[in-house]
Amino acid sequence: NAGVTQTPKFQVLKTGQSMTLQCAQDMNHNSMYWYRQDPGMGLRLIYYSASEGTTDKGEVPNGYNVSRLNKREFSLRLESAAPSQTSVYFCASSGTGDYYGYTFGSGTRLTVV
Amino acid sequence: AQSVTQLDSQVPVFEEAPVELRCNYSSSVSVYLFWYVQYPNQGLQLLLKYLSGSTLVKGINGFEAEFNKSQTSFHLRKPSVHISDTAEYFCAVTMPSSGTYKYIFGTGTRLKVLA
Repeated sequence: NAGVTQTPKFQVLKTGQSMTLQCAQDMNHNSMYWYRQDPGMGLRLIYYSASEGTTDKGEVPNGYNVSRLNKREFSLRLESAAPSQTSVYFCASSGTGDYYGYTFGSGTRLTVV
Repeated sequence: AQSVTQLDSQVPVFEEAPVELRCNYSSSVSVYLFWYVQYPNQGLQLLLKYLSGSTLVKGINGFEAEFNKSQTSFHLRKPSVHISDTAEYFCAVTMPSSGTYKYIFGTGTRLKVLA
């Protein structure tokens, strides 16, 4: 099915470990986004990529890096995980000039102990 | 800067009763507005959107919302809810003039439909 695929779905890390969250879309969308969702705080934008080859910081970029590998893939890396990064992470995509709304992945639930 | 406020963190309502979920936004320029629904352990799905034109917009699953520019509101309504509507609902706003297509989300309203 067309859409946004995120891997892994669940992950437990120890403080200081690193990991990469993967996201891929097959809708030929230009723009991709990473959000984190925390109870009572809604979704907050971490990084986004308006088009292939560009990335920009969102509201809460500290502690994260991203790579727009190609038009389909947009990865989020935690270099040294901290308990404050325990969250549910969502990837989304949208077409340029397209206000039909984001298409979201199903999320990655990350716990840092 | 733009912002979105969802004042109600939780809304309990009995099945077949009407419901209104409130959303207010703050922006000095024109905005586009969205409502998303998130069922447990799932991603977000678009319910409806307001871009321009008629201020009353209809979405999926019998939901509708009304854009009120003077009150800077975009409240979501359903005349008769079902158990299956139990979910978290997010209001979101974006500024088309920014060209970035970034959305700002509210903190969410958890709708609990009671039998």
